[in-house]
Amino acid sequence: QKEVEQNSGPLSVPEGAIASLNCTYSDRVSQSFFWYRQYSGKSPELIMSIYSNGDKEDGRFTAQLNKASQYVSLLIRDSQPSDSATYLCAVTGNDMRFGAGTRLTVKP
Amino acid sequence: GAVVSQHPSRVICKSGTSVKIECRSLDFQATTMFWYRQFPKQSLMLMATSNEGSKATYEQGVEKDKFLINHASLTLSTLTVTSAHPEDSSFYICSALDRGFSYNEQFFGPGTRLTVL
Repeated sequence: QKEVEQNSGPLSVPEGAIASLNCTYSDRVSQSFFWYRQYSGKSPELIMSIYSNGDKEDGRFTAQLNKASQYVSLLIRDSQPSDSATYLCAVTGNDMRFGAGTRLTVKP
Repeated sequence: GAVVSQHPSRVICKSGTSVKIECRSLDFQATTMFWYRQFPKQSLMLMATSNEGSKATYEQGVEKDKFLINHASLTLSTLTVTSAHPEDSSFYICSALDRGFSYNEQFFGPGTRLTVL
């Protein structure tokens, strides 16, 4: 089992819709959880961090964490074409581990 | 957020040569930096953890004699790919840990694309 798993996608949503990205992790001692956005040919850019159970909202982005289920998600409301990118889930315990990423395409 | 720079952004070299990549934290002190490698359409793979003033910790399968890491100051880490070969062609990305900003949050440099002919 991979340490951090994401639905591989690709995920395609129409402009204005909600995009839902999911991530599960295997290490129960994981402490911090991050979502990074990576445009093609660029390095990852941090968009959300979450450390405790529940929801965390920042603009159009909402991260949800459920440590009991070892699950973290990212919701993007009112999706825009500029949101089209690969989204990486990252989990830290002793070090940071990345999921393989989910490719999101928002169609105008 | 914290700013991390990398130099060069792109390098093309002949097989057998060595290439040095610099990673700098511009507005904070980074006691820990990380080096990642990313092949096309694949996720980031951690190569090594670089700690200021001590030897780097390499991930399993990463040759420490081929990928030399030096973290001589709190703002600079370097990765040297020695005797590069075409299979070393990849996107190399560094990140730095700013413990003063948020717990375990890493900030990434813009990456260096290495092409070995």
